[in-house]
Amino acid sequence: GAVVSQHPSRVICKSGTSVKIECRSLDFQATTMFWYRQFPKQSLMLMATSNEGSKATYEQGVEKDKFLINHASLTLSTLTVTSAHPEDSSFYICSARVGRAYTDTQYFGPGTRLTVL
Amino acid sequence: SQQGEEDPQALSIQEGENATMNCSYKTSINNLQWYRQNSGRGLVHLILIRSNEREKHSGRLRVTLDTSKKSSSLLITASRAADTASYFCATSGSARQLTFGSGTQLTVLP
Repeated sequence: GAVVSQHPSRVICKSGTSVKIECRSLDFQATTMFWYRQFPKQSLMLMATSNEGSKATYEQGVEKDKFLINHASLTLSTLTVTSAHPEDSSFYICSARVGRAYTDTQYFGPGTRLTVL
Repeated sequence: SQQGEEDPQALSIQEGENATMNCSYKTSINNLQWYRQNSGRGLVHLILIRSNEREKHSGRLRVTLDTSKKSSSLLITASRAADTASYFCATSGSARQLTFGSGTQLTVLP
């Protein structure tokens, strides 16, 4: 099946630093990738939709200057949390969509646990 | 804001029993999907049901969809301890994005 990887799986950083998270589709090409944030014991909230070669589309309330998304190729999207603060601590999950029909499926990465001290 | 609400929020059953989780949503959909998430991990796709389907089976999973009531249910039969996880429904509409429900935490006791 389709595999999506994320790196790193866990990161701890000091407040004010920037953190980059990579999302890769390993055995397929993904024209669209998604970034979600999940707080403890809560559901996934879509942050942005990333299309290869174009600017990401951010959901309402998500600061695009804070969460920089780059989708440089059909197999790689990156999320950079700039000037991270403790409230940015969360579980960040990416997914990649395969197919173009309405039955297309998203395959999820294993997630990245970000802790900002 | 999240579209889907799931109930119960938490469910604890004995191994071998059946587990039923429900999901309600608010707007029209193209399909509804169910995912499982083990603690601290990513999501695993379980099953997709299209808006023109009413029931679907996959192994020990049975999903129903009632578009008139905007609701879906996931039934896991003969549960195992390994089924312990959080289960989320997610709807896909015209924007082809997934909107997740609030999730049900299932605990299967050995």
